[in-house]
Amino acid sequence: KQEVTQIPAALSVPEGENLVLNCSFTDSAIYNLQWFRQDPGKGLTSLLLIQSSQREQTSGRLNASLDKSSGRSTLYIAASQPGDSATYLCAVNRPKGSGYALNFGKGTSLLVTP
Amino acid sequence: NAGVTQTPKFRILKIGQSMTLQCAQDMNHNYMYWYRQDPGMGLKLIYYSVGAGITDKGEVPNGYNVSRSTTEDFPLRLELAAPSQTSVYFCASSPIPWEGNTEAFFGQGTRLTVV
Repeated sequence: KQEVTQIPAALSVPEGENLVLNCSFTDSAIYNLQWFRQDPGKGLTSLLLIQSSQREQTSGRLNASLDKSSGRSTLYIAASQPGDSATYLCAVNRPKGSGYALNFGKGTSLLVTP
Repeated sequence: NAGVTQTPKFRILKIGQSMTLQCAQDMNHNYMYWYRQDPGMGLKLIYYSVGAGITDKGEVPNGYNVSRSTTEDFPLRLELAAPSQTSVYFCASSPIPWEGNTEAFFGQGTRLTVV
């Protein structure tokens, strides 16, 4: 069974810091890994998608890496801003029955203080 | 493009009542999913569909039913609502994983309370 774990569960940093969010998964048979952002009371917004054959993806101040063999991914946020405050979710796309489905971690709740 | 649209956004049900959560996508995605999110518990897969006419159970299907008669729509039916079904429900869609960009898109959610 695929288990996805995110560490830390919560994080508070002052504005301007660089930070790393961690995601680990137990089964390396994944098709891709996706990082999402969720604001309170809102839906999920996709941040980055890494295919299983890729090592990293970058979008602006965000960089996500994937080490499939060790079952780990990290999301690096550079020069954090108060607007980055949200919950960040990691999800692995893995075989499920007749197709594929996303398995989610419980998320990291990030607070960036001015 | 509207993306993934869910209705209603909020609903209060009494124990034993039934309702249908609607989900529609306009991206011609084959895959569609229903998840529920409970506080501090992450998202759990309820049902998913790999195409019109094909549905399959996820991790927590009990108390729910789905149908997929068209590519665009994937309604979730709650029969005999119970307090344990109080949650936020998310619908999502994605292309077939091996067809290039496989990014999943989510609706804004339906917040359901059963009293």
